Amino acid sequence: GQQLNQSPQSMFIQEGEDVSMNCTSSSIFNTWLWYKQDPGEGPVLLIALYKAGELTSNGRLTAQFGITRKDSFLNISASIPSDVGIYFCAGQRVSGANNLFFGTGTRLTVIP
Amino acid sequence: NAGVTQTPKFQVLKTGQSMTLQCAQDMNHEYMSWYRQDPGMGLRLIHYSVGAGITDQGEVPNGYNVSRSTTEDFPLRLLSAAPSQTSVYFCASISPGAGDSVLTFGAGSRLTVL
Repeated sequence: GQQLNQSPQSMFIQEGEDVSMNCTSSSIFNTWLWYKQDPGEGPVLLIALYKAGELTSNGRLTAQFGITRKDSFLNISASIPSDVGIYFCAGQRVSGANNLFFGTGTRLTVIP
Repeated sequence: NAGVTQTPKFQVLKTGQSMTLQCAQDMNHEYMSWYRQDPGMGLRLIHYSVGAGITDQGEVPNGYNVSRSTTEDFPLRLLSAAPSQTSVYFCASISPGAGDSVLTFGAGSRLTVL
């Protein structure tokens, strides 16, 4: 399968700080998505990106579809305790949900 | 509307035992799938189904069977559990019109094989 590398693997930040994480691939993707997994729950979609260079926001979250189509970035501004969880990127080269590949995840801890 | 429901939430098996992880959705979603989540590996697709009576293999299908007799249910069967199948399993479906990459996940089933 496709290898999507996320960095950092984990982050410990103070409440109120901004967070940046990224996802890279050796292959070109046509769709990038970001999911968040709360402890003990399944992942939930945060943002979907469908065009190279696209910048999309969802509240305090902003994600970008890299211009090379081989990477994507997620930023969280003014972090709060409920931002704790694992953030997964996912990429899709061709249509079909079975062609969706997930990154290894970034575990975020927010210290109040 | 309960979304995607998985049972059981936790299960411990001995090597060689069989079991079925249940997944049900009440949203009339055609596409359903099973993933496993392992540390440092992300989510990997085991099997998927595009509708009742149709199933296909994903990235890591060995050791697992599925069937799709109804639109609502998509059980995952382990015929002879192995320690390598210790993992957290997620069922996911897609809402028609939501885009073929927008998955709705269940809460997960944590399986330990001793």
